[in-house]
Amino acid sequence: SQQGEEDPQALSIQEGENATMNCSYKTSINNLQWYRQNSGRGLVHLILIRSNEREKHSGRLRVTLDTSKKSSSLLITASRAADTASYFCATYNTNAGKSTFGDGTTLTVKP
Amino acid sequence: DAGVTQSPTHLIKTRGQQVTLRCSPKSGHDTVSWYQQALGQGPQFIFQYYEEEERQRGNFPDRFSGHQFPNYSSELNVNALLLGDSALYLCASSLVGFQETQYFGPGTRLLVL
Repeated sequence: SQQGEEDPQALSIQEGENATMNCSYKTSINNLQWYRQNSGRGLVHLILIRSNEREKHSGRLRVTLDTSKKSSSLLITASRAADTASYFCATYNTNAGKSTFGDGTTLTVKP
Repeated sequence: DAGVTQSPTHLIKTRGQQVTLRCSPKSGHDTVSWYQQALGQGPQFIFQYYEEEERQRGNFPDRFSGHQFPNYSSELNVNALLLGDSALYLCASSLVGFQETQYFGPGTRLLVL
């Protein structure tokens, strides 16, 4: 089974609104990453947060990590129609040497 | 600076056939990982190659095999194709010691009829 689980599975908002997606995972991690995927194409790396970090910002993106709850959230502020995509969290464990993805949140931003 | 490239972009095969997918890593990268992404799901790790050897493997049968060449490019081979092998196959490259930061290619969409 997948390590990460995103919530909600689908999210529909109006342009300008904020979008929040959550990710829960099961085992210990070294870092957690968020990716974007447009229409079944390749994944684009958005942001990486390490296990010793609690919050990280990149442009309109804000990621939080709570290792005690094994959860992370991705906030996209002032959303745009171009943000319409699927968003995936992926956990990385150095010992396993691989990234494990959840099933993603599909975000639709209406103009 | 060339990113990760994959070929072909689309492929249609029939059950029982064999398929080979190809990946060229981002310039400067030496590690290649392959993922399978079924429709509506997240990518699942197949295996990772470094120094022409399989270093890590996910929960995939032996029908899935790979190879890495001296120029770091890689192939994914799938034998005895099943309908359930229909998926988007993604290649990701990274630099050893920095495998957490992966760059993904556009993928190859495989349809098995």
